[in-house]
Amino acid sequence: GQQVMQIPQYQHVQEGEDFTTYCNSSTTLSNIQWYKQRPGGHPVFLIQLVKSGEVKKQKRLTFQFGEAKKNSSLHITATQTTDVGTYFCAGWVGGSNYKLTFGKGTLLTVNP
Amino acid sequence: DSGVTQTPKHLITATGQRVTLRCSPRSGDLSVYWYQQSLDQGLQFLIQYYNGEERAKGNILERFSAQQFPDLHSELNLSSLELGDSALYFCASSVGGGGRTEAFFGQGTRLTVV
Repeated sequence: GQQVMQIPQYQHVQEGEDFTTYCNSSTTLSNIQWYKQRPGGHPVFLIQLVKSGEVKKQKRLTFQFGEAKKNSSLHITATQTTDVGTYFCAGWVGGSNYKLTFGKGTLLTVNP
Repeated sequence: DSGVTQTPKHLITATGQRVTLRCSPRSGDLSVYWYQQSLDQGLQFLIQYYNGEERAKGNILERFSAQQFPDLHSELNLSSLELGDSALYFCASSVGGGGRTEAFFGQGTRLTVV
C-alpha cells in the first residue's frame, strides 16, 4: 500500500495567507522530493532534501526534512494565485523493490 | 518543456480494447517510470525500467505490460480495457536508476475508456 502519506488532501486559503502541507513515511527515507503539479499540467520537480533536519528555502517556499528522516513539510508564506496546484512529496521506498513513491498530494487553491 | 515526450496526448477507446502509450525520455536519461493518475488516487507507481531492464514494479495489473527498447524509449501496453482504467498516464525519466535522482515528467496521456 501507499507508504508515503500526505495531509491535508485539500487546502483553500485567501491570498496572502500561509500554507503548509505535511508528509510522513512509515519507513526512514534516504531523501524526500517535492513536486508541484499545476491544474492540467504535469508534476514538476521542486527540491530534494537529503540530510536529517535539513531546511531549504526557495523564495516564499520553505522545505523541512525531519530529524528521523520520516517526515517532511512544505510551507508557503503569503500565498499568491500563482501558487495554485497540487503539491506532492515523494520518497524512494520499498526495500528490494525500491521505487519512487508519491504521496496523494495536497491541492492548494487560493482565493484572490 | 521537460524533454520527456509522450504520445498520444489523448486516447478514447472502447472497453475490451488494447492500446499502447509511448514515451521518449530526456536525452541521456536511462530510467523510465510509468505512473497512473486518477482523481482520488494520486500518482500510482506502475513500473520502472533502467537501461532496458525492469528495475521496480508497483501494483501494475496483469493486463498491463511495459518495455524499454534499446533506444531507451518505452511503451506501456494496456489490454482488455475497463472503464476504471480511464486515467492520466504519466511517463517520467531520470538519469539514475534510483535513490537521489529527480524525475522529469512528460505531459501525460489522457486515456478515456467508454
